[in-house]
Order: sequence, then C-alpha cells, then structure tokens
Amino acid sequence: GAVVSQHPSWVICKSGTSVKIECRSLDFQATTMFWYRQFPKQSLMLMATSNEGSKATYEQGVEKDKFLINHASLTLSTLTVTSAHPEDSSFYICSAREPGATYNEQFFGPGTRLTVL
Amino acid sequence: QKEVEQDPGPLSVPEGAIVSLNCTYSNSAFQYFMWYRQYSRKGPELLMYTYSSGNKEDGRFTAQVDKSSKYISLFIRDSQPSDSATYLCAMRRAAGNKLTFGGGTRVLVKP
Repeated sequence: GAVVSQHPSWVICKSGTSVKIECRSLDFQATTMFWYRQFPKQSLMLMATSNEGSKATYEQGVEKDKFLINHASLTLSTLTVTSAHPEDSSFYICSAREPGATYNEQFFGPGTRLTVL
Repeated sequence: QKEVEQDPGPLSVPEGAIVSLNCTYSNSAFQYFMWYRQYSRKGPELLMYTYSSGNKEDGRFTAQVDKSSKYISLFIRDSQPSDSATYLCAMRRAAGNKLTFGGGTRVLVKP
C-alpha cells in the first residue's frame, strides 16, 4: 500500500513557540491531504483538508490562524501550530489520498506527538 | 450525543476466538463505512470499507452494515495476538470527503 510519513514523530516545545509538522506521501502524488488531531483515548477529529496549490479548508471550530496548513507540492503538506499552548498538546496525524482514489481510501501517517510545556 | 458511538473496551479474548466489534451511528446520510486498525503510537491502517448495507469479507475479517438499524460490525476470525490493537470505525456521506470516526475499541488477544 501507499506510504505516508510524518516528521517529527514527537516534539516538545515551550508555550508560545511555533512548531511545524511535515507530512509526505513517499510513493505517490497526493492531490488531497488531511490533518487530524487525536486526544488520548479519543477518536480522530478532522481539522482541515488540504488541496495542492490552494487554501486549506478548515473544519468548524478550528482556528486557521493558529493551525497554518501549506500544501505546496503533490508530496508534501505542512501543519504549523503557531504560538502553541499546553492545550494544543495532542497527537497530530495526516492522511493522503491518491488521485482517482475514493475518499474512503486514505493512507495515514504514523502521527506526531506534540507536547507543549 | 456523538454521531458515531463505539464501546472503548478493552475487549479481551483468547487466541483463536472470534472478535466482535460494532459501532452505532445517528446520521442516516452516512453511506460508506470503514474499519481501521491502529497500533499504539501509530497511524490508523485501513482494513476494509463497505458501501451501504450488506456484508463484505476479506480473509479473516468480515464487515457488516445494517443501515436500517444504523449499526455496523466487524468480525475477526481466528484471532491472533498480533490483532491486539485499537479498532476504529469511520463513516462518510456520499458527497464530501470528511470521515467521521468512532472513539475506537481496544482489543487484547491473549496467547
């Protein structure tokens, strides 16, 4: 199956700093990538949908100025958590869809665990 | 009330037993139903998906959808310790790309 990587796998930062998380599709070009957040023992919540070359579409309640998403190429999307606070600590997971595939067939990255002190 | 409900478990079974998982949902617009497996500190892995009502079998896995009852199930036959993971159900409307996930059920298969 298709492979999606994320970097870093974990990060610890101080409150008020910004953190960038990368999501890469390694063996396919992804026209659409998705960013999810998962709190401990809770389900994945879609934060935003990212289409290559256009602005991301954010879900209701997700601050676009706080969670900056850039999908500059067909293999890379980045999520930047700006001015991070302890409540932003979570597991962030991206997924990608191959062109022509259904939205059911999303391949997930291994996730990035963010801890804000 | 959550759109998709899933018992968090843990569900503990002996090796070789059948694992039975299920989700209920409230939104009748959901048309596609998916099951994912997630190991600790890893991203979810798609096991299978079904469209509308009916059954689908793939190896040791069988997915069932009962839209009239808004109830979906996943059965794992001949369970192995390597099946120990959290299983997430997810659903999608016919139009749009958003997946709505259940909270996941943790499964432990004991040797």
